[in-house]
Amino acid sequence: DTEVTQTPKHLVMGMTNKKSLKCEQHMGHRAMYWYKQKAKKPPELMFVYSYEKLSINESVPSRFSPECPNSSLLNLHLHALQPEDSALYLCASSQHGTPGPLHFGNGTRLTVT
Amino acid sequence: AQSVTQPDIHITVSEGASLELRCNYSYGATPYLFWYVQSPGQGLQLLLKYFSGDTLVQGIKGFEAEFKRSQSSFNLRKPSVHWSDAAEYFCAVGSQPRGEYGNKLVFGAGTILRVKS
Repeated sequence: DTEVTQTPKHLVMGMTNKKSLKCEQHMGHRAMYWYKQKAKKPPELMFVYSYEKLSINESVPSRFSPECPNSSLLNLHLHALQPEDSALYLCASSQHGTPGPLHFGNGTRLTVT
Repeated sequence: AQSVTQPDIHITVSEGASLELRCNYSYGATPYLFWYVQSPGQGLQLLLKYFSGDTLVQGIKGFEAEFKRSQSSFNLRKPSVHWSDAAEYFCAVGSQPRGEYGNKLVFGAGTILRVKS
């Protein structure tokens, strides 16, 4: 069982659609992350939130818009995506002020058609 | 900037045999090192971590890893592999950038472990 819950598990969307990925954790962690993982590749960091504030943006295109409404929730809003954005999107959390570890959810498998 | 090298893309071992997965890192300061395992279509599960202290670290599922600063290595080992260990294994190094919170984790390319009966 994972303590980081991601919904939906699978998502298929067209290039003109708007959709959102959701992530929730109840471990009291104050740092939350979005990673993108392409097939047969390692996860790549997209965003880091610390105390609900965006602290790291790894030069991610603006068609990906993160949001952290409270300390337990993390969203990733998607708009005008491209087929090459198809990937597994992983959410993670960690305690603040420490060098890890990260606790990962099971991810959302996104397909852009 | 930190980086991680996992030189073996695939490794095949027989069930019951011992296992060693290699990991080399590059980082200017004291590294924070991790091993994660990922089954197909799943998230990443933490196997073990090294922050400081004893260089031999015990993890879950019978795995251990040894930190060798002189070799910049953090190899993962298991004395006897089970068929359920077949998965992809990622080594990662973490840092906490100055003035920022959160752990900027950088992953190696991964090693796919196959177990033959």
